[in-house]
Amino acid sequence: EVQLVESGGGLVQPGGSLRLSCAASGFTFSSYWMSWVRQAPGKGLEWVANIKQDGSEKYYVDSVKGRFTISRDNAKNSLYLQMNSLRAEDTAVYYCATTIFGNWFDPWGQGTLVTVSS
Amino acid sequence: EIVMTQSPATLSVSPGERATLSCRASQSVSSNLAWYQQKPGQAPRLLIYGASTRATGIPARFSGSGSGTEFTLTISSLQSEDFAVYYCQQYNNWPGLYTFGQGTKLEIK
Repeated sequence: EVQLVESGGGLVQPGGSLRLSCAASGFTFSSYWMSWVRQAPGKGLEWVANIKQDGSEKYYVDSVKGRFTISRDNAKNSLYLQMNSLRAEDTAVYYCATTIFGNWFDPWGQGTLVTVSS
Repeated sequence: EIVMTQSPATLSVSPGERATLSCRASQSVSSNLAWYQQKPGQAPRLLIYGASTRATGIPARFSGSGSGTEFTLTISSLQSEDFAVYYCQQYNNWPGLYTFGQGTKLEIK
């Protein structure tokens, strides 16, 4: 069974940092682009970042460039999102998702909640 | 940035009836469009990719159509489990700059 399990969310103060992890199983992780997508409370979906199979290409939405870093460890079947200089507007559920042909997202993890507040 | 606009924001339909959801792109995305279903407290689930191809395990009552800037998701005979929020997503600017519509909430009439 394909499974993505996120962890690392929590409450952090503005300006703080957090590292999210996504553990993948049930498929050949190293063969797929992977992405992070977030959803603010009561709001829609926003793509955040994605990374190529070998980590050689990474892309970000403008609002997180220079603050967030996506990475992966294919030996550990894991995806990461390092989030620095966090702002209140980064508050959201963060989902990791397998990105088929680098295009659409399937499947998604269950998400981890990040709350940025003092 | 390609802006995706979904309409209506909320759609009220009775079980057994047909639902038609729309998604419009601010510029052509060819057929590079996906649809997702999200139920409360759950992650989104892929329904359609390539504008009209059903994902694995998706019932035949779900169908997608359109190309360029105008797209439609049709649910032919609504079941109770279909009441949810639906999002469209363009991936024409691969490998980044993906954008989603704001969602259509499909509710029971």
